[in-house]
This record gives sequence, C-alpha cells and structure tokens, in this order.
Amino acid sequence: EPEVTQTPSHQVTQMGQEVILRCVPISNHLYFYWYRQILGQKVEFLVSFYNNEISEKSEIFDDQFSVERPDGSNFTLKIRSTKLEDSAMYFCASSVVGGSYEQYFGPGTRLTVT
Amino acid sequence: GENVEQHPSTLSVQEGDSAVIKCTYSDSASNYFPWYKQELGKRPQLIIDIRSNVGEKKDQRIAVTLNKTAKHFSLHITETQPEDSAVYFCAAILNSGGYQKVTFGTGTKLQVIP
Repeated sequence: EPEVTQTPSHQVTQMGQEVILRCVPISNHLYFYWYRQILGQKVEFLVSFYNNEISEKSEIFDDQFSVERPDGSNFTLKIRSTKLEDSAMYFCASSVVGGSYEQYFGPGTRLTVT
Repeated sequence: GENVEQHPSTLSVQEGDSAVIKCTYSDSASNYFPWYKQELGKRPQLIIDIRSNVGEKKDQRIAVTLNKTAKHFSLHITETQPEDSAVYFCAAILNSGGYQKVTFGTGTKLQVIP
C-alpha cells in the first residue's frame, strides 16, 4: 500500500539555523499539507498546497516558513531561522482531492531546536 | 476562525465497555469531520469520517454522529479492547473549492483497562 514518507525522522538544529523537512506524498495525490504537533499537544494545521501554490495557511505559518514542490515527487517545508519554540513533530499529509477526502499522514519528522 | 473543543481530555473504560468522545465546532460552514487515532510516537490514522450531509456513520465497532444544528459530533466505540488505547483527535474541515481550513480538537487519551 502506498505511503507518505518523510525525511529525516529526527533533525537537531541550532537556534537561528535553516532547516528543510522533506516529504514524498502518495504519487497520485494532488493536495499536500504540513502539520505541527508539539509534544503532548494537539495537531496544528500549518499549510495546504495545491496546483503549485498555497491554498490556505494558518496563523502559525508566518514569514519564517515556506513550502515548495521542487519536482514531481517531493514536497518540502523550510524554516528559515529556527526558534526554540519550533521544536515539534512535523507531519506531512496528502490527499487525492482536497477537503472531504482522507488525508494520509507521513510518519513525521521530529525537529529539535537547541 | 474555527474553534474545535473536544471532551473529555482523558477517558478510562473497562474492556468491553463503550467509549464516547465529543467535539463541538464553531464555524457552521465546516463540512467534513474526520476522527484520527494516534498511538504513542506514531502518525495520526483516520478511523472514521463523516460529511456534513450525513447524520451518522458506522464501521464495525466505531460510529460517528453529527448534529449540524448544534454543531457537535461524537465518536462512539463499542466493545472496547486494550488495543483501542490511544489518543483520539477530532477535526473540522471547511472545504470550499480550492480553499480549505483544517482545525483539530485537543485530543482525548483513551485507556482501556483489561
């Protein structure tokens, strides 16, 4: 069964550094998402992406964040200058169609900012 | 913006008993309501979902009900088993054309006692 994959599984970085989290969505899916989950807390929506552009973003997704689909398979989340409070699990998800269709989550990347 | 409240935050039941988790949402335009199960350290996985034009949906031991007027929806698990122990998240999604807004509830930690 196809799965969403994410790399790396764990990323440790120093405050102020740039990080890029990578995701490979399921191949026939057209909608892509990034979520954040701080340890022990709820899943928070960051951004949705369709047709090579952002379709919606949350208040968390400020100018420090950007997303890109650099080729036909990868979907990346970049954090330009990491802060301590960016430490969290970041999940990528994809769906065939947006909205009322199942989103398949990747295994997540644990980001630790020191 | 959308606000999703989820109760209870923790729930302990005896094996074989039923468990009910409730969510309320604020935006009447939300039209898709998935429920996710998240085991410790793992990705959220969809267990059941319901669209706004349906009042109830059942899949074996799991059912979801939606009351659009009251803006609340509930997850019902019958004949609980120890492997049902996990954190459960509800979500409310507003999908309109290419626009989507995804809001998760705060989660319910379910413990099924053998």
